[in-house]
Amino acid sequence: QPQLQESGPGLVKPSETLSLTCSVSGDSISSSGYYWGWIRQPPGERLEWIGSIFHSGQTYYNPSLKTRITLSVDTSKNHFSLTLSSVTAADTAFYYCVRGGKWQQSDTYYFDYWGQGTLVTVSS
Amino acid sequence: EIVLTQSPGTLSLSPGERATLSCRTSQTISFTYLAWYQQKPGQAPRLLIYSTFTRATGIPDRFSGGGSGTDFTLTISRLEPEDFVLYYCHQYNSPPWTFGQGTKVEIK
Repeated sequence: QPQLQESGPGLVKPSETLSLTCSVSGDSISSSGYYWGWIRQPPGERLEWIGSIFHSGQTYYNPSLKTRITLSVDTSKNHFSLTLSSVTAADTAFYYCVRGGKWQQSDTYYFDYWGQGTLVTVSS
Repeated sequence: EIVLTQSPGTLSLSPGERATLSCRTSQTISFTYLAWYQQKPGQAPRLLIYSTFTRATGIPDRFSGGGSGTDFTLTISRLEPEDFVLYYCHQYNSPPWTFGQGTKVEIK
């Protein structure tokens, strides 16, 4: 079964760009046929889906964040990444990387594997 | 965007009792596209149920899901000590995928 691990800075200054990477082991991003994505959770609040990416580079973004986010994938390193620009305190949250369903099989678009999460704080 | 509303916010019960958690969606969705997750303190959520009724791998059979249309439920038949944590519902019927605000099951 796949294991996911987030990495990246835990502190980002306001107006700067947040960058996180998710390393995947036990599964191949390029051949498994799954989407991979990001979900965040501000402390004490509900979960928010950020976006998902397929190994081909096809992406799906939450419209509420679309203008600020970019997802990318590096199949040679078996990892995928998130960048979120122009961050504010409202972007302070636990960020989880997830496996998010099989290509074009909408009945599988739940999130079956999660990273442990990483807390990103936006503060000067 | 489909909004999910969970009730109650907190459920106070004793071990061995039955818990029924509710999730209401702002639009009708297919039963195929509703999931439930459990989140323990300091941990990532864990998939419990998908497609309203189907337990994920390794999930005990005391957890069951049901519902249709806009009203869905997660039932825990007999609460074990490790079940007193947070639960979220999730719809993947229409993007953006969204989650409920959560129900906390606490020991009475």
